[in-house]
Amino acid sequence: QKEVEQNSGPLSVPEGAIASLNCTYSDRGSQSFFWYRQYSGKSPELIMFIYSNGDKEDGRFTAQLNKASQYVSLLIRDSQPSDSATYLCAVNSNFGNEKLTFGTGTRLTIIP
Amino acid sequence: KAGVTQTPRYLIKTRGQQVTLSCSPISGHRSVSWYQQTPGQGLQFLFEYFSETQRNKGNFPGRFSGRQFSNSRSEMNVSTLELGDSALYLCASSLLRQQDDEQFFGPGTRLTVL
Repeated sequence: QKEVEQNSGPLSVPEGAIASLNCTYSDRGSQSFFWYRQYSGKSPELIMFIYSNGDKEDGRFTAQLNKASQYVSLLIRDSQPSDSATYLCAVNSNFGNEKLTFGTGTRLTIIP
Repeated sequence: KAGVTQTPRYLIKTRGQQVTLSCSPISGHRSVSWYQQTPGQGLQFLFEYFSETQRNKGNFPGRFSGRQFSNSRSEMNVSTLELGDSALYLCASSLLRQQDDEQFFGPGTRLTVL
């Protein structure tokens, strides 16, 4: 079983709709969770991080964490064509430990 | 504030050669981590340096090594290159605070081994 799992997609969403990206992790002791966006040919850029159960909102993005079920999700509201990218979920097992374990990413395409 | 910089951006080497990649973190960031990204395996952690010391290491062979200098700049070295080492090598830096310790990635070095 992979430590961090994501549906590879592609996930196609109409412009203006909500895109929902999911990630599950196996290490129950994981402490912090990150969503990165990676455009083709570019390096990952951080969108959001979350470490407490519940929702965290930042503009059009909402991260949701459920430690009991070991999943973290990212919602993108009012999806735009510029949101088309691969979204990487990353998990950090310990605070202060810089080792991130990444999922393989979900490729998202926003259809105009 | 300047971001993470990596040099060179592209490299072409042949099997058996060695290569050194360089990373300059964001000013004030003391932790530097290295990752390998391939289409098949995704992003995999190589190692992390803090205050010139390797603090964490991923599951890579000893051909992969690194170091960090007193100004936090870091280098990684791959010896006896193999075809499978072709990948994008990413460096990330962080402030190393608790909890919200965000890692910021550089543009990467694309290594091709022929």
